[in-house]
Amino acid sequence: EPEVTQTPSHQVTQMGQEVILRCVPISNHLYFYWYRQILGQKVEFLVSFYNNEISEKSEIFDDQFSVERPDGSNFTLKIRSTKLEDSAMYFCASSDPTRMGDTQYFGPGTRLTVL
Amino acid sequence: QKEVEQDPGPLSVPEGAIVSLNCTYSNSAFQYFMWYRQYSRKGPELLMYTYSSGNKEDGRFTAQVDKSSKYISLFIRDSQPSDSATYLCALLKGITGGGNKLTFGTGTQLKVEL
Repeated sequence: EPEVTQTPSHQVTQMGQEVILRCVPISNHLYFYWYRQILGQKVEFLVSFYNNEISEKSEIFDDQFSVERPDGSNFTLKIRSTKLEDSAMYFCASSDPTRMGDTQYFGPGTRLTVL
Repeated sequence: QKEVEQDPGPLSVPEGAIVSLNCTYSNSAFQYFMWYRQYSRKGPELLMYTYSSGNKEDGRFTAQVDKSSKYISLFIRDSQPSDSATYLCALLKGITGGGNKLTFGTGTQLKVEL
């Protein structure tokens, strides 16, 4: 069964550094998402991406964040200058709009630790 | 008022018990109602979804929605130790530019004991 993959599984970085989190969505899906989950808290929506554009972003997704689909398979989340409070699990998800419910399938996540 | 509220638990039950997990929501714009299961430090895994009031069954799992009360439930029959996980309700609504946005509850941590 196709699945969403994410790399790396764990990223440790120094505050102020740039990080790029990578995702390979399910191949025939058209909508792509990033969510994050701070330890012990709920999963929060960050951004949705469709047709090479951001379709919606949350207030968390400020100018430090950007997303890109650099080729036909990868979907990336860049954090330009990381802060301590960016430490969280970051989940990529994708969905197929032709399927009823347009259900989102999640990757295993990247654990980001900012020191 | 929070958009989605879910009792965080933890909930501990003996093997074979019937488990009831619940969420309430405040926004009538939600169109689909999902249940995800999440193991520690893993991604959410979709269990079931429904869009109308009533029940939907899949094996040992039953999802129930009452739109008039803005209340959703997940029932697990004959619970097994392998069901031990965090269960997340997630409500979906459309995004104007394309796609849909999920709003999650806090998750209920379930432990099924032998």
